Amino acid sequence: NAGVTQTPKFQVLKTGQSMTLQCAQDMNHNSMYWYRQDPGMGLRLIYYSASEGTTDKGEVPNGYNVSRLNKREFSLRLESAAPSQTSVYFCASSENWGQPNTGELFFGEGSRLTVL
Amino acid sequence: GDSVTQMEGPVTLSEEAFLTINCTYTATGYPSLFWYVQYPGEGLQLLLKATKADDKGSNKGFEATYRKETTSFHLEKGSVQVSDSAVYFCALSEDGGGGYQKVTFGIGTKLQVIP
Repeated sequence: NAGVTQTPKFQVLKTGQSMTLQCAQDMNHNSMYWYRQDPGMGLRLIYYSASEGTTDKGEVPNGYNVSRLNKREFSLRLESAAPSQTSVYFCASSENWGQPNTGELFFGEGSRLTVL
Repeated sequence: GDSVTQMEGPVTLSEEAFLTINCTYTATGYPSLFWYVQYPGEGLQLLLKATKADDKGSNKGFEATYRKETTSFHLEKGSVQVSDSAVYFCALSEDGGGGYQKVTFGIGTKLQVIP
């Protein structure tokens, strides 16, 4: 039972390089999310997708783009990486509000990104 | 907007000590409340939840009661173990519209249990 799988787990980039974080879930959830985790700041929402074909900005979207490729997959792209994007990134998924597990997020193991 | 307040820690306890991690929140509607736990090198996983006032969530010896009058959801455990060492996040979730869960997290409290 894989749940939420994200790749890569670790990545080092130079300033200005681009990369894509991949995320896939096998729980048939409609909603998917990308968060970043920084010391002393908890988790902050970058982008979310409430359903296949839709994406919306979260709290800290600048410098990122996302693609909801299909119901299973939601990718996060850094077009021109900056040192301020050094962080741990988490993908998550959930059932829609009103479903039995309303409110619960299911997380991947995280991707640690360092931008030099 | 919504917010969740918890101490960052670290909280250091001896094994078998009593644990309390305070969590208070502000919300415009009627949120569900959660505690998530993050073990080193892993993602967050749900520890317990409560969906309405006066509900008590419990799991693995941890408990928290949804107190609407004090807008709190404090996490407690009667006797902690070394294996409980982790970061604990309090969170609230509301209907964000369009089907998605609008989740607000606290900053996380690091718990260190020493033998």
